[in-house]
Amino acid sequence: DGGITQSPKYLFRKEGQNVTLSCEQNLNHDAMYWYRQDPGQGLRLIYYSQIVNDFQKGDIAEGYSVSREKKESFPLTVTSAQKNPTAFYLCASNQGAREKLFFGSGTQLSVL
Amino acid sequence: GQQVMQIPQYQHVQEGEDFTTYCNSSTTLSNIQWYKQRPGGHPVFLIQLVKSGEVKKQKRLTFQFGEAKKNSSLHITATQTTDVGTYFCARGRHSGYALNFGKGTSLLVTP
Repeated sequence: DGGITQSPKYLFRKEGQNVTLSCEQNLNHDAMYWYRQDPGQGLRLIYYSQIVNDFQKGDIAEGYSVSREKKESFPLTVTSAQKNPTAFYLCASNQGAREKLFFGSGTQLSVL
Repeated sequence: GQQVMQIPQYQHVQEGEDFTTYCNSSTTLSNIQWYKQRPGGHPVFLIQLVKSGEVKKQKRLTFQFGEAKKNSSLHITATQTTDVGTYFCARGRHSGYALNFGKGTSLLVTP
């Protein structure tokens, strides 16, 4: 089945630790996105990539980093600089402008 | 200017009652998309509206795009417990493909 796979489903971070969230898609989509969801806050854009080897900051990029070395993969690293990382992280992809987004099942990140 | 506001934030209805959520923008929208997120799940695309005054129906769901393309609504007729979830509207960003989402309307339906 085609789709977006996020892993792990749950992740715990210790103080001062960097953690990486995985996102893989086999939909052959050019564009990929990372959103953060907090209760009652909707979805906020962290980073997005419209093409391999290129990405742009969204509205809340501080404390996060990404890479886009392959079309299928768009990992997100939550660095120790992100002081409030506890949230539900959603990866998404689409084929182009005005196209619908396909979402992965998300990763819940918590701080130990 | 690129944000969308949704009201209400929460809505609790009895099964069989109707439900409406509204999405408003201060600037003209080129298009609007609607998504549904079930509890514990991820957002799933419902529909996209592009034309001024457009109305689209999906079974008991009716979507409207305002004449001025600054607002949209989702109306559910005779709600069912399967309608429970959070409904989001989303608009395109000027910079590219990404979307800006509203904060959503959480619908609770009790039997």
